[in-house]
Amino acid sequence: KAGVTQTPRYLIKTRGQQVTLSCSPISGHRSVSWYQQTPGQGLQFLFEYFSETQRNKGNFPGRFSGRQFSNSRSEMNVSTLELGDSALYLCASSSLAVYTDTQYFGPGTRLTVL
Amino acid sequence: KNEVEQSPQNLTAQEGEFITINCSYSVGISALHWLQQHPGGGIVSLFMLSSGKKKHGRLIATINIQEKHSSLHITASHPRDSAVYICAVLIQGAQKLVFGQGTRLTINP
Repeated sequence: KAGVTQTPRYLIKTRGQQVTLSCSPISGHRSVSWYQQTPGQGLQFLFEYFSETQRNKGNFPGRFSGRQFSNSRSEMNVSTLELGDSALYLCASSSLAVYTDTQYFGPGTRLTVL
Repeated sequence: KNEVEQSPQNLTAQEGEFITINCSYSVGISALHWLQQHPGGGIVSLFMLSSGKKKHGRLIATINIQEKHSSLHITASHPRDSAVYICAVLIQGAQKLVFGQGTRLTINP
């Protein structure tokens, strides 16, 4: 089985722009969650989707949004980029509806905001 | 105060030593995960625990729900174990993970 894939792997944007990141989960997995990792804050939960529905959202501003498609692929969008949005964005997939299942992480997208 | 605290933050040891990394949390949880992150960013899920103890190869994870504490042990450590180890808890009643700050482990040959 192919692992979780994320595209693009690296991205450079300027302040004020918007960005869309993509995550393809392991085949058969219906849950996709997104995380932000920065040197200062570490890993933080952004949101989780299951069967196209957002089930929970972390403490991030409304500039961060996401969606999930019927094939379980998920996208994350950040609008009006700020310098502090520079981070590694990770997605993870799991087969079950709750986090008591093993999470399989993608390689991440490294976003740099100039 | 962070909901999840890991100790130590950094750990350097010699190949072959027994390693212990600790994770304490202050909230009610449904489960606890141990993750491994190698340079370059890739994260691998090592264990998911809700009680007791789990073992996989040279890795052992334990959790004490009453004391709100978990430990990750590595026996016969090897330089390839060098990575950041992250503890994450699933908060009871919520569908989100809260992460510790990580422990950077370096094993010297």
